[in-house]
Amino acid sequence: DTEVTQTPKHLVMGMTNKKSLKCEQHMGHRAMYWYKQKAKKPPELMFVYSYEKLSINESVPSRFSPECPNSSLLNLHLHALQPEDSALYLCASSQVPGARGEQFFGPGTRLTVL
Amino acid sequence: GENVEQHPSTLSVQEGDSAVIKCTYSDSASNYFPWYKQELGKGPQLIIDIRSNVGEKKDQRIAVTLNKTAKHFSLHITETQPEDSAVYFCAAIPYTGNQFYFGTGTSLTVIP
Repeated sequence: DTEVTQTPKHLVMGMTNKKSLKCEQHMGHRAMYWYKQKAKKPPELMFVYSYEKLSINESVPSRFSPECPNSSLLNLHLHALQPEDSALYLCASSQVPGARGEQFFGPGTRLTVL
Repeated sequence: GENVEQHPSTLSVQEGDSAVIKCTYSDSASNYFPWYKQELGKGPQLIIDIRSNVGEKKDQRIAVTLNKTAKHFSLHITETQPEDSAVYFCAAIPYTGNQFYFGTGTSLTVIP
């Protein structure tokens, strides 16, 4: 299994809602990542989990809250988002953090904030 | 930190022609250079990568070249097909860090 899965595929939420994005991989990877991607732009790193511990937080607003319940799962909890948070949210994983392995990306969750 | 520039931003080629996309990087500590293809509505998919101890790598119609001295690397696609149409991102990763530094992307259109 060389796949990263993400649910849901699409999400529409109001600014007062609370929702969660889910990501799963069964490749035994020990690093997992959340990226935000705006249209026609490269992915922007948000968070890195290394061996289930948060190792990088790229100054992301607290309305985004990551969670890594185990080595296969990664969640992104959303609360009180703004319309400018609308984007494609990508999850990725790699065998180890950093340059020693490729990152496998999931298909993304298309988020729209009304 | 690392800065990756990518050119061109858009590229149109006739089916069967070759396409070349170029990236430059600034940090001499970067030692891993992947290329990703992103089709509409999908996540990026790795198509080829190269490490700093190698000058060139090929995989069928796709090749990547690396010039460490000049700090640039290029993606070459030969015999292009309509299904090659997508956005392509280069990236550079320093051996000291966890972060991928992406280029700005190239939208490739292959005209049948």
